Amino acid sequence: EAQVTQNPRYLITVTGKKLTVTCSQNMNHEYMSWYRQDPGLGLRQIYYSMNVEVTDKGDVPEGYKVSRKEKRNFPLILESPSPNQTSLYFCASSSQGEASKYEQYFGPGTRLTVT
Amino acid sequence: DAKTTQPNSMESNEEEPVHLPCNHSTISGTDYIHWYRQLPSQGPEYVIHGLTSNVNNRMASLAIAEDRKSSTLILHRATLRDAAVYYCIRGNAGNMLTFGGGTRLMVKP
Repeated sequence: EAQVTQNPRYLITVTGKKLTVTCSQNMNHEYMSWYRQDPGLGLRQIYYSMNVEVTDKGDVPEGYKVSRKEKRNFPLILESPSPNQTSLYFCASSSQGEASKYEQYFGPGTRLTVT
Repeated sequence: DAKTTQPNSMESNEEEPVHLPCNHSTISGTDYIHWYRQLPSQGPEYVIHGLTSNVNNRMASLAIAEDRKSSTLILHRATLRDAAVYYCIRGNAGNMLTFGGGTRLMVKP
C-alpha cells in the first residue's frame, strides 16, 4: 500500500532533549516536506526536499533540521526542543520536485509535546 | 501574497451538492490551484487540482473562473464522511504549498 509513515505518532519530551521524528514513503517520490499545524495558524511548511541531498527552508524553519540521505526517508530533527515547538507535525511527499504541480500525500501526523 | 480567501464555515445537507468557493485574486499565471481536505484527527488528503481548465475526478469537480481569480470546489452529493476542513491552496514558487485557514464543512443528515 502506498503510504507515508511517521514515527513516533505521539511524543512527550522535555526542553533541550534532542529528538528525531522519522518520515518514510514507499512511492519513490522525489519531493518530501514537513509541516506543523497549530490552532489558529493552520499548516505551515518547515522544510522541504526536492530530491536526495537537496533541502530548503519553508516558512518556519527556525529550531529544526532535516536531512535527505535516501530518497525514501526525510527525518525532522529538533536539536534542542522548546515548548513553542509543541505542535502536530505532518510529513508529506509528492512524485515530482515541482510539488506545486502535483498532489501531495500526507502522513498520519506526530503530536509532539515539549514541557 | 500567496494566501487564498475562503469562508470559515459552510453547512450542507446530506446528498445535496456543495459548492465551496475560494478567492485567489493575486494568483499568477503559473500557480496551480489545489484543494485538500482534513478529516478530524487525520492528515490532509488531496482532493483535486488544476491550472486553467475545469477538472473532474472521482472525489469532486473544480471549476476555475476564466480570469483565474476564483475557483469553486464542487462535491456532487455530500455525505457525512465529507465533513472536514477544506483548504484551497495556491501552488506557488514551484515547491511550496501555503495553506490558509480553510472552510469547515458541516454536513447535516
